[in-house]
Amino acid sequence: QKEVEQNSGPLSVPEGAIASLNCTYSDRGSQSFFWYRQYSGKSPELIMFIYSNGDKEDGRFTAQLNKASQYVSLLIRDSQPSDSATYLCAVNESPDAGKSTFGDGTTLTVKP
Amino acid sequence: NAGVTQTPKFRILKIGQSMTLQCTQDMNHNYMYWYRQDPGMGLKLIYYSVGAGITDKGEVPNGYNVSRSTTEDFPLRLELAAPSQTSVYFCASTGGHQPQHFGDGTRLSIL
Repeated sequence: QKEVEQNSGPLSVPEGAIASLNCTYSDRGSQSFFWYRQYSGKSPELIMFIYSNGDKEDGRFTAQLNKASQYVSLLIRDSQPSDSATYLCAVNESPDAGKSTFGDGTTLTVKP
Repeated sequence: NAGVTQTPKFRILKIGQSMTLQCTQDMNHNYMYWYRQDPGMGLKLIYYSVGAGITDKGEVPNGYNVSRSTTEDFPLRLELAAPSQTSVYFCASTGGHQPQHFGDGTRLSIL
């Protein structure tokens, strides 16, 4: 059973702080990694995707991937109350290119 | 751009009734998925399809059926609804090693 595990929440940070969300996966052959944000009562929406080892930055968001350690993380800098949501980590299995396994999510609250 | 469209948005069923949740996408994606999400939980894969005419079971397929006669449409059928099927259902699609695009979801209550 391929697994994706996220750090248990909820996670609470003050406005302006860095929020760090972590995810580990069991399938060593995984090739694609995604972070989705889900507001309460809404559908998941893509925040970041990363395919190669290292860091990928997009505005206040940075995704980090370490395939050797089977670890992917999402950093949110200068956290805003609007970042309060559940963040889902998803990993695409190999060799099925399209099928993702999702973690259970980490709920983030950013306090003003 | 419509993306992934799900209907209905809300539905209440009685135990033992049947219904079909509709899902259509206009992005010409080969891969389509049905998930359910229970309160406070992650997404559980019910069924998926890698192309027209091809479907496969996911993690929680019992009590559900699907078909994929066209690239665009991927309906989910509930037979003999049970209270345990009360959930939010999401349909999604992707072109491969790409992010998934989600519909707005269907909130289903079985009473």
